Amino acid sequence: QSALTQPASVSGSPGQSITISCTGTSSDVGGYNYVSWYQQHPGKAPKLMIYDVSNRPSGVSNRFSGSKSGNTASLTISGLQAEDEADYYCSSYTSSSFWVFGGGTKLTVL
Amino acid sequence: QVQLQESGPGLVKPSETLSLTCTVSGGSVSSGSYYWSWIRQPPGKGLEWIGYIYYSGSTNYNPSLKSRVTISVDTSKNQFSLKLSSVTAADTAVYYCASFGDAFDYWGQGTLVTVSS
Repeated sequence: QSALTQPASVSGSPGQSITISCTGTSSDVGGYNYVSWYQQHPGKAPKLMIYDVSNRPSGVSNRFSGSKSGNTASLTISGLQAEDEADYYCSSYTSSSFWVFGGGTKLTVL
Repeated sequence: QVQLQESGPGLVKPSETLSLTCTVSGGSVSSGSYYWSWIRQPPGKGLEWIGYIYYSGSTNYNPSLKSRVTISVDTSKNQFSLKLSSVTAADTAVYYCASFGDAFDYWGQGTLVTVSS
């Protein structure tokens, strides 16, 4: 099972909105509403930001939102802040009954 | 809130078995609320799911690692463990334990395991 496809990097200025895509297949992203997103700062453990495509855990800013269309899921961060600069990973359940991650996207806040 | 802490050797020789333990606090591995997971991240690379275990002992592993992985749970110590056999340099990574409820909700801080002679 291949990793999900994410852009290697995205960037935006403070206050702007950015979107990170996560492309899979009908056997993972497209087949299940079990897509989650994680934020990872350097040297730190990942943090859950979105689960089940569009749900935010308690304590996560509402500037973070998730969506899905077909085989592609997306994470949108609005009102970009310096503290949002991090690596972001998507994950999905698969038809083979295991979990796969994307390759990660480095977000730079200009 | 669940807290997790990985422990184990930071250096393992090639062909030997990597063994790590995750100690859970703020929750019980027997509660049935979570699957208990292991995830790894090679230096400078992305995340890879290794597998998880339910308190009942039911397991699910990444097919790419299945032949070498064993995850077990010790309810008396509120811990779960990872064993990865026949390691090579490609198994050098930061290993994280995590709880899986809605998703990989809570993570340990991670522990770097280097495979080298």
